[in-house]
Amino acid sequence: NAGVMQNPRHLVRRRGQEARLRCSPMKGHSHVYWYRQLPEEGLKFMVYLQKENIIDESGMPKERFSAEFPKEGPSILRIQQVVRGDSAAYFCASSPGTSGGGREQFFGPGTRLTVL
Amino acid sequence: TQLLEQSPQFLSIQEGENLTVYCNSSSVFSSLQWYRQEPGEGPVLLVTVVTGGEVKKLKRLTFQFGDARKDSSLHITAAQPGDTGLYLCAGRGGSNYQLIWGAGTKLIIKP
Repeated sequence: NAGVMQNPRHLVRRRGQEARLRCSPMKGHSHVYWYRQLPEEGLKFMVYLQKENIIDESGMPKERFSAEFPKEGPSILRIQQVVRGDSAAYFCASSPGTSGGGREQFFGPGTRLTVL
Repeated sequence: TQLLEQSPQFLSIQEGENLTVYCNSSSVFSSLQWYRQEPGEGPVLLVTVVTGGEVKKLKRLTFQFGDARKDSSLHITAAQPGDTGLYLCAGRGGSNYQLIWGAGTKLIIKP
């Protein structure tokens, strides 16, 4: 039973390029969360999605960042016109629900984005 | 704004010693979770504490949730090199899904 999968694991982009990060949740999980982690810091919530719906994007910058979770396929975190400050580890988590025992979030291995 | 402060930020001890790391806040959390993160990997959930004063044990690890549900501690007995990692606490506040994270305690156990 595969866990949360993220790809690529490492991504290098030059300033001004676009970065696309993919996340496939665990089987049976319909809730996806994206987090960002800077070195020596904890995770910062970015966005929470269900299939075809953005539920909460309060942690995501208003410009250049977008996220989607289509009916078919992985969730995508898209960063347009990347800048050096976007360099970080981006983690995706999934859960089967948001109440009771279904709230536990399982994390993927992350994508490490480096902007040159 | 809810914040979680972890201390110490870094701890390096010899195998066999005991240690405690702390997670403190001025805010109340409905539950608190402890994770362990290895380099290059995502966090892995160790335990969730829900009730004020609750104590949970996981082999040599003992987790406690403060009576007021504002703080928590993780105690490791007879630490082993395999315990090396980044320990993160995360609190669940008003929403059912949003986790507030501490910055972590980087633990190194020397053989």
